[in-house]
Amino acid sequence: DAKTTQPTSMDCAEGRAANLPCNHSTISGNEYVYWYRQIHSQGPQYIIHGLKNNETNEMASLIITEDRKSSTLILPHATLRDTAVYYCIVRVGMNTDKLIFGTGTRLQVFP
Amino acid sequence: KAGVTQTPRYLIKTRGQQVTLSCSPISGHRSVSWYQQTPGQGLQFLFEYFSETQRNKGNFPGRFSGRQFSNSRSEMNVSTLELGDSALYLCASRMAFLGDTQYFGPGTRLTVL
Repeated sequence: DAKTTQPTSMDCAEGRAANLPCNHSTISGNEYVYWYRQIHSQGPQYIIHGLKNNETNEMASLIITEDRKSSTLILPHATLRDTAVYYCIVRVGMNTDKLIFGTGTRLQVFP
Repeated sequence: KAGVTQTPRYLIKTRGQQVTLSCSPISGHRSVSWYQQTPGQGLQFLFEYFSETQRNKGNFPGRFSGRQFSNSRSEMNVSTLELGDSALYLCASRMAFLGDTQYFGPGTRLTVL
């Protein structure tokens, strides 16, 4: 199973862009990268996912390197409510529920 | 559309007892999975159900079991509770087509005394 590596914690000023990196050097060609976040022991919230192209939705942007060994989640204008643990996950097969969560990045947004 | 619901939200049990947790998926979702979250082990996959059949199972002892009903609702059961079973138990559902996304419920906080 492809593993992900993320920094343990990051800080970001409110209103600034938060850039959260993730390494997934053993990812296979057909495996997607997913991002979830968890706010204070609530259920994880889906943010975005991608395969090889950059993706954007109303919450965030996902930039995947050309070799697919790393990616960056971008929150364009961080708010205090974005303070959470962010998980980068490589999904094990596209027709299974099994997500392997790492330790995630604790993002602290400060005023 | 309502999200994934889990009941109860909080539960306190004593060692040796058993517990049943319930999960109602998002309407139209056919696949349900369960996860355990503890401070020491983080989020770990328990099992996955589709069409009332278990399709995948994580590395947990046989005391952990589950089932899915014809309306896609799911229950998980933990027998002979141990202190280490204290955790947040999360349920997630998805529609079950290739490439879709899982959506998580708020979880059930189980405390074993």
